[in-house]
Amino acid sequence: DGGITQSPKYLFRKEGQNVTLSCEQNLNHDAMYWYRQDPGQGLRLIYYSQIVNDFQKGDIAEGYSVSREKKESFPLTVTSAQKNPTAFYLCASSTRGTGWINTEAFFGQGTRLTVV
Amino acid sequence: GENVEQHPSTLSVQEGDSAVIKCTYSDSASNYFPWYKQELGKGPQLIIDIRSNVGEKKDQRIAVTLNKTAKHFSLHITETQPEDSAVYFCANSGGSNYKLTFGKGTLLTVNP
Repeated sequence: DGGITQSPKYLFRKEGQNVTLSCEQNLNHDAMYWYRQDPGQGLRLIYYSQIVNDFQKGDIAEGYSVSREKKESFPLTVTSAQKNPTAFYLCASSTRGTGWINTEAFFGQGTRLTVV
Repeated sequence: GENVEQHPSTLSVQEGDSAVIKCTYSDSASNYFPWYKQELGKGPQLIIDIRSNVGEKKDQRIAVTLNKTAKHFSLHITETQPEDSAVYFCANSGGSNYKLTFGKGTLLTVNP
């Protein structure tokens, strides 16, 4: 089945530790994104990548890092510098339409990160 | 993209009634307007989208309208069913800011 997979579904970490969230897609999409979702805040863009080996900061990139070494994979690292890391993290992918993301974005099922 | 306001934040309707969710945006160059449905604990799924060259699009019980002059677009769900209960997000992109920007969501509850 084609799709976008995030793992794990639930993740617990101690404060001060870095943690990496996995996102894999087999849709042959060029573009991939990471969003953070908090209650009442909607979806906020952390990082996005339009092509392998290239990525850009979104609206709330501080305390996060990403890599895009393969087309299928876009892992997100939540570093100890992120002051409030507990949240629901969503990864998405899309084809690159004219002007970038004016095509459907497919989302993974999310990773709920809890930092204690 | 840039600044998408979504209203209401919560909406409760009786089964069979219609539901309307409205969004306004600020970037007049926006050209793509999707709506997503998110069920509890899951990722959002696209339910309908519209591009700036049309004013209305319909797919069975759901429809989206776009008023470019007023910079607002709306989701209409008719004959609501309990399984329509979820959080709905509007979004837009294109123009000077090509990022997909989301509204804050509307929690729709359809009471049997």
